[in-house]
Amino acid sequence: EAQVTQNPRYLITVTGKKLTVTCSQNMNHEYMSWYRQDPGLGLRQIYYSMNVEVTDKGDVPEGYKVSRKEKRNFPLILESPSPNQTSLYFCASGRKSNQPQHFGDGTRLSIL
Amino acid sequence: QKEVEQDPGPLSVPEGAIVSLNCTYSNSAFQYFMWYRQYSRKGPELLMYTYSSGNKEDGRFTAQVDKSSKYISLFIRDSQPSDSATYLCAFLNYGGSQGNLIFGKGTKLSVKP
Repeated sequence: EAQVTQNPRYLITVTGKKLTVTCSQNMNHEYMSWYRQDPGLGLRQIYYSMNVEVTDKGDVPEGYKVSRKEKRNFPLILESPSPNQTSLYFCASGRKSNQPQHFGDGTRLSIL
Repeated sequence: QKEVEQDPGPLSVPEGAIVSLNCTYSNSAFQYFMWYRQYSRKGPELLMYTYSSGNKEDGRFTAQVDKSSKYISLFIRDSQPSDSATYLCAFLNYGGSQGNLIFGKGTKLSVKP
């Protein structure tokens, strides 16, 4: 089954404790991205990757890092999480950057 | 003027009704138009994708794009309780080099049996 898999689905942690949210897709897509979804603000792009070893900032990149060492994986790293990063996070992938993106089921992060 | 405007609802209709969902946009560079459906505790799921003005039909769903008016619509015929979800319009710039989908805030739809 074609899918985008995120882990963990839920995480409660404390300020400053580094965390990684993993994302994996099995569709051989070149393009991958991370979004956060907040009430009243909708979905906003954090980082994206056009292909292996090619990443760039989206609209709200502050406080986040990413890497793309393999085509299928695109982890999101919060090196020093803060409460304003409490949000619902989605990973997405697409064949190319101008093709529709397919989303994972989300990771709900709570930073205390 | 906001880049994308979408009525948040909520919209409540009886089963079998025809549903009309709409978005307006201001960015002339938008060339790809999508509708996503998002169930509670799930990720957005692609429903419709088009890059031209006019209508595109898929089963009970019809997407309509009017580039001259900067207006897109999604029609759902014979609505079912399983259609109860939040519907998000989404847009991509011409070329889409960043692939940054610009989303509306979503319309919450409830279809009552």
